[in-house]
Parts: sequence; structure tokens; C-alpha cells
Amino acid sequence: IAGITQAPTSQILAAGRRMTLRCTQDMRHNAMYWYRQDLGLGLRLIHYSNTAGTTGKGEVPDGYSVSRANTDDFPLTLASAVPSQTSVYFCASSERGEGEAFFGQGTRLTVV
Amino acid sequence: SQQGEEDPQALSIQEGENATMNCSYKTSINNLQWYRQNSGRGLVHLILIRSNEREKHSGRLRVTLDTSKKSSSLLITASRAADTASYFCATDAWSNSGYALNFGKGTSLLVTP
Repeated sequence: IAGITQAPTSQILAAGRRMTLRCTQDMRHNAMYWYRQDLGLGLRLIHYSNTAGTTGKGEVPDGYSVSRANTDDFPLTLASAVPSQTSVYFCASSERGEGEAFFGQGTRLTVV
Repeated sequence: SQQGEEDPQALSIQEGENATMNCSYKTSINNLQWYRQNSGRGLVHLILIRSNEREKHSGRLRVTLDTSKKSSSLLITASRAADTASYFCATDAWSNSGYALNFGKGTSLLVTP
């Protein structure tokens, strides 16, 4: 089934550790996004990419980095995790800018 | 900052009633989208309305857009218990880095039998 896949589903991480959240889509979408969702704050954009080889910063980029080496993969890296990065992370993709976005099932990350 | 803001934050109605949610945004847009999120799941796209459109329908959903007031509304008619979910509006934003999709904080809808 075509779609967007995130891994892991959930993770407990010690503060200070490095962690990469994986996101893969098989729809050949150009645009990909990473969001974090926190209670009462909705979805906030972390980083995005409009096409392979390009990335942009969203509303809350600090402490996170991304890369877009190819069309299908858009990993999100926490270089040194802190408790405030405890959240549910969603990856999404869309065929092009201004189109319908498809979401992964989310990664629940707890930093302790 | 987040572009869209939904209102109300929470809404509780009975089955059969209509549910109306509103979204206000800050800057000019090319289109506005509405999404639904069931508890613990990813968001699912409901409907997209372009800046040159004023109203759009899809099944029991009706979306309006007023670009002069920078606002949109989502109406769910004849609601069902299965409509219980959070609803988000999303607006596009262009910058030097390209295109991004920004979401509001959402409206939590509870439909009771």
C-alpha cells in the first residue's frame, strides 16, 4: 500500500543522546514536512523540503536537522536530545507545493 | 508563527446537529485546507479551497473562505458520533526557502449519541 512510513513508532531516549527519526514515502512526492504536536499547541512545523536537495526551516527548527538526499527519504535528527523535545512527531508529504498533504502515523518520543 | 487559528478550541454537540468550526489566518494565501485527526493518529485531508473560491462542498462538509476577513469556516452537517475528532485548518506560506504548510491549534469536536 502506497503511503508514508515513519519509524520508530515510539521511543524513550536519554537526554543528550542523538536520535534520527525516519520518514519514507513511496508516492514520489516532491514536498516533505516534519511537525511536532504538543497538547494545546497544535502542529508546529520543524523543517520542510520542497524537492530533493533543498530544505527550509519552519517555526521551531532549533535542536533539529534534516536532509533530503533523495525524493523518498526525509530523516529528522536530534543531535543532543533534551526533555523539551518530548512530543509526537509527524512526517508528511505532498505531490507539490499547495497540494493535499499525506501524513505518517507519527513517532511518540519521550526524552528523559 | 502558526498561520491559522481555529475557533472554538473545543465543541460538544449531539448527533444530528451541525458543527461549525472557524479558522482565522494572518497573511495572504493561495489555498486553505482542512484536516481531521482521530486520537493518536496522523492527520487526514478533508478538503482544499483556493483563494479565488468562496465555498466548496464535499459530502456533509461545507467550507467557506473569506479572503477579505482572512477567515474560513468548516461546517459538518448532520453530525455523527464517528465525526468525533480534532479538526485543523492549514494555510500555505511562501518564503525564500520555498513553500511550507502551516497548521493551527485545532478544534476538538465531540459528538455524543
